[in-house]
Amino acid sequence: DTGVSQDPRHKITKRGQNVTFRCDPISEHNRLYWYRQTLGQGPEFLTYFQNEAQLEKSRLLSDRFSAERPKGSFSTLEIQRTEQGDSAMYLCASSSWTGGAETQYFGPGTRLLVL
Amino acid sequence: AQSVTQLDSQVPVFEEAPVELRCNYSSSVSVYLFWYVQYPNQGLQLLLKYLSGSTLVESINGFEAEFNKSQTSFHLRKPSVHISDTAEYFCAVMDTGFQKLVFGTGTRLLVSP
Repeated sequence: DTGVSQDPRHKITKRGQNVTFRCDPISEHNRLYWYRQTLGQGPEFLTYFQNEAQLEKSRLLSDRFSAERPKGSFSTLEIQRTEQGDSAMYLCASSSWTGGAETQYFGPGTRLLVL
Repeated sequence: AQSVTQLDSQVPVFEEAPVELRCNYSSSVSVYLFWYVQYPNQGLQLLLKYLSGSTLVESINGFEAEFNKSQTSFHLRKPSVHISDTAEYFCAVMDTGFQKLVFGTGTRLLVSP
């Protein structure tokens, strides 16, 4: 396995712009998660997919956020009309769920700074 | 709903000294427990996990954690730390029905010579 990869690693944008992040999970992992980590805090769950289906969304995920996993492989997270409060590290994780306990493997994250 | 409390935001320790990072959780259902480590500007790496069975779990680099159901704790310990152990450590809980991780706020371990 090559691990979970995320692109870009860093993104600086101006308030009001749209941004899109990509996550490539470990191959054959059927679950993919997005978390957000702000400075001095632990990661907070945003949403997750099982294959291409988005099964759960956190209340943290406002209408400006949308995530997709069109073919059950890579995923994108888009933030529209960014706000300064969106500045954070966005982490992607993947796992192989077989009905029991699972281990989530994290990517390096995308650090977003909204000016 | 689950929650995780890491009481110490920062733990300074000298190299080769023992260390304990505390983690307490709250949950109304059965849970799995995890410790992740995060080095600067990197993602999280799994350190160790408790799923079932023996309440004492160990990692390959000398860390261990003990699940204590009565005290709802999962403290992380290492008998002798190295400079390279300097990092942020996150305790996390996952309920056995839904696989979302709930993290604590983290403990920064600072190892000095």
